[in-house]
Amino acid sequence: GAVVSQHPSRVICKSGTSVKIECRSLDFQATTMFWYRQFPKQSLMLMATSNEGSKATYEQGVEKDKFLINHASLTLSTLTVTSAHPEDSSFYICSAIINRDGYGYTFGSGTRLTVV
Amino acid sequence: AQKVTQAQTEISVVEKEDVTLDCVYETRDTTYYLFWYKQPPSGELVFLIRRNSFDEQNEISGRYSWNFQKSTSSFNFTITASQVVDSAVYFCALSEEENFGNEKLTFGTGTRLTIIP
Repeated sequence: GAVVSQHPSRVICKSGTSVKIECRSLDFQATTMFWYRQFPKQSLMLMATSNEGSKATYEQGVEKDKFLINHASLTLSTLTVTSAHPEDSSFYICSAIINRDGYGYTFGSGTRLTVV
Repeated sequence: AQKVTQAQTEISVVEKEDVTLDCVYETRDTTYYLFWYKQPPSGELVFLIRRNSFDEQNEISGRYSWNFQKSTSSFNFTITASQVVDSAVYFCALSEEENFGNEKLTFGTGTRLTIIP
């Protein structure tokens, strides 16, 4: 239980185009979702916190106009990388808080974005 | 601000050896949660353990054990009789209760563990 489905798992796009990544909570309602970025051989860095029905809260240094986050329902949050550039190539992971059998987090399987 | 330090960037051990991964954390909160996650090459994060700040009991789960010491702000992870399948990157993480329902999870830099057959 408490599964977050993330799609696509892998995407290659041309520089200048936009890419949308979706995260769906399958068997629970996710009021809050977190978006992380992970560069090769580095840790996960929190990009933003998205709350259903309100604007996302971005971490310092993350461009909100470039990384558009929409959390329109309790089961879906999306991250759109706009006008992607090669330096945006990274592994993006979403996460949601769960409170079953205790407090914790569940993670999507990640999206590997390559911008060429 | 919360911070998690994993000083060991990479560790290699021969199969069947025991290995301990260190984690030191910083927080101003008295209530917090600590986590360990495994990230195999596929990238997906695998939850291993959660510990809240009021529970200092050590835990053992099969070949895995965790040592939580508030006095030294450490939450170390030991794998006994290591196996090749244990090869992965391991992350320690911390969550504070600064805003109920909005708790951010801060990750350490990770330790890449390689088990040599």
